[in-house]
Amino acid sequence: AQKITQTQPGMFVQEKEAVTLDCTYDTSDQSYGLFWYKQPSSGEMIFLIYQGSYDEQNATEGRYSLNFQKARKSANLVISASQLGDSAMYFCAMRFNAGKSTFGDGTTLTVKP
Amino acid sequence: NAGVTQTPKFRILKIGQSMTLQCTQDMNHNYMYWYRQDPGMGLKLIYYSVGAGITDKGEVPNGYNVSRSTTEDFPLRLELAAPSQTSVYFCASSYHWNTEAFFGQGTRLTVV
Repeated sequence: AQKITQTQPGMFVQEKEAVTLDCTYDTSDQSYGLFWYKQPSSGEMIFLIYQGSYDEQNATEGRYSLNFQKARKSANLVISASQLGDSAMYFCAMRFNAGKSTFGDGTTLTVKP
Repeated sequence: NAGVTQTPKFRILKIGQSMTLQCTQDMNHNYMYWYRQDPGMGLKLIYYSVGAGITDKGEVPNGYNVSRSTTEDFPLRLELAAPSQTSVYFCASSYHWNTEAFFGQGTRLTVV
């Protein structure tokens, strides 16, 4: 069965500091994609970053980077130089080439001024 | 571009009523998805489609039906609404399975 686990229900970080949000996954498939989304209190879903299972380099998008450790089945999101606007719910998700996908339960990040 | 458009934004249904949640995308995406999000939880996949005429069940399909007659539209039908279907529903689309999904604004459904 495919499963995403986000073990941190809530995280706090000081403004301008870096924070790591944990994501572990379970699948026996060899081909999959890992995604991170941000959901602010307004409710929309915002795509942040993608990592393919065959990608050898860790993905980066601006202040976001994905620490991909395939052998450990982890795909942690690192946010550098946190901003107040980063306060939101963050979801890790996995999708497969047949189209099926699964999401974790999310981590609420609060950035303190 | 409008992206992914969902209607309605809010709806209150009585137990046993039926309704259709509409979803349209104008990005010529092959893949479309319906999710539900219960309070404080992640998204659960209800149904998905990899192209017109093809649909498949996700994790929580019971009580729902979908169709995909065109590339653009992917309506979700609720038959015999139950309180357990109270949730926020998101429609999403992606060009391919390994590309970012674009989400609609969501539909907040309450069944009373």
